[in-house]
Amino acid sequence: GAVVSQHPSRVICKSGTSVKIECRSLDFQATTMFWYRQFPKQSLMLMATSNEGSKATYEQGVEKDKFLINHASLTLSTLTVTSAHPEDSSFYICSAVGQSSYEQYFGPGTRLTVT
Amino acid sequence: AQSVSQHNHHVILSEAASLELGCNYSYGGTVNLFWYVQYPGQHLQLLLKYFSGDPLVKGIKGFEAEFIKSKFSFNLRKPSVQWSDTAEYFCAVRGSNDYKLSFGAGTTVTVRA
Repeated sequence: GAVVSQHPSRVICKSGTSVKIECRSLDFQATTMFWYRQFPKQSLMLMATSNEGSKATYEQGVEKDKFLINHASLTLSTLTVTSAHPEDSSFYICSAVGQSSYEQYFGPGTRLTVT
Repeated sequence: AQSVSQHNHHVILSEAASLELGCNYSYGGTVNLFWYVQYPGQHLQLLLKYFSGDPLVKGIKGFEAEFIKSKFSFNLRKPSVQWSDTAEYFCAVRGSNDYKLSFGAGTTVTVRA
């Protein structure tokens, strides 16, 4: 089956620093990847849609200068949280859509804690 | 804009009990519907999906869901739950020509042995 990985699984950083999260499709090529944020006991909120070779499309209310997304290849998208603050602490999940399928395959998520 | 409503925030059951989780959606067009499960500490997995055809769809692990178009509903059912069904369950919807999913708030299911 289609496998999506995320790295790191957990990260703790100090306020004001930047953190990069990687999302990889391991056994398929993903033209489109999505980044979600999940607060405790809440649903997944779509942050942005990442298309290979083009700029990401951000959802309303998501700061594109704060959450930098790069989809440099068909198997890798990165989310960089710049100048992180404690309120950015959350669970970040990516998903990927294969070239021949509409189905989204989800990564295991990255727990970000900003101190 | 599409939205998804899950009626139950937390459901507690005993093993062998039947489970039904409600999901209603709002969308002005043809939809694809999904149920995902998130076991503790694991990533989201697809339980089942509806694109078209028979409105009663069967998924993995003995789950099924029924699409009732007139009620804008896609309720999830399992006749007899097991302790291993303890998890978070999410209903999701998207337009049939769209990749973007909208998720419900999720339902935590706790099955007591």
